[in-house]
Amino acid sequence: QKEVEQDPGPLSVPEGAIVSLNCTYSNSAFQYFMWYRQYSRKGPELLMYTYSSGNKEDGRFTAQVDKSSKYISLFIRDSQPSDSATYLCAMRSDYKLSFGAGTTVTVRA
Amino acid sequence: DAGVTQSPTHLIKTRGQQVTLRCSPKSGHDTVSWYQQALGQGPQFIFQYYEEEERQRGNFPDRFSGHQFPNYSSELNVNALLLGDSALYLCASSLVPGTGVYEQYFGPGTRLTVT
Repeated sequence: QKEVEQDPGPLSVPEGAIVSLNCTYSNSAFQYFMWYRQYSRKGPELLMYTYSSGNKEDGRFTAQVDKSSKYISLFIRDSQPSDSATYLCAMRSDYKLSFGAGTTVTVRA
Repeated sequence: DAGVTQSPTHLIKTRGQQVTLRCSPKSGHDTVSWYQQALGQGPQFIFQYYEEEERQRGNFPDRFSGHQFPNYSSELNVNALLLGDSALYLCASSLVPGTGVYEQYFGPGTRLTVT
């Protein structure tokens, strides 16, 4: 069993829709939770990070963490074609990040 | 403010050869981590360097080694290349974690193809 599970999709939504992404994890040592966005053939770009359970909002992005269920989510409101990318969840224990496999999202104009 | 830079962008090597990849961290950062990302997968942690020493290592064989220089830049060396080493190699920089969250910023990566 992988430490971090993420549905690879692909996910295709119309412009303006809400995109919902999620990951589950098994390692209770994970303390910090992050979402990265990766465009094709580029390095991952940090979108959001959270520490405690609950919600964190930044513009059109909302990150949710439920430590009791070992479940994290990212919501993208009013999605745009420029949001088309692969979204990676990442979790930190000690000094390393453990990533999910990534979900490929396409927002159709 | 320069972000994380990596060189070269692309590299083609033959099985059995050796390769060296280079990374310069974001300005103000002193810690460098290396990750391997196979096609269609998430990045896998190779190791992290701080104060010129390897601080933590992932599940990679000794063929993978690294170095950090006094100016915080870093190299990743891979010996005896295998076809399975073909991947995007990512460098990430960060500040030494204190009591709070520290963020890792990634470079654009070096795409290595082993034939």
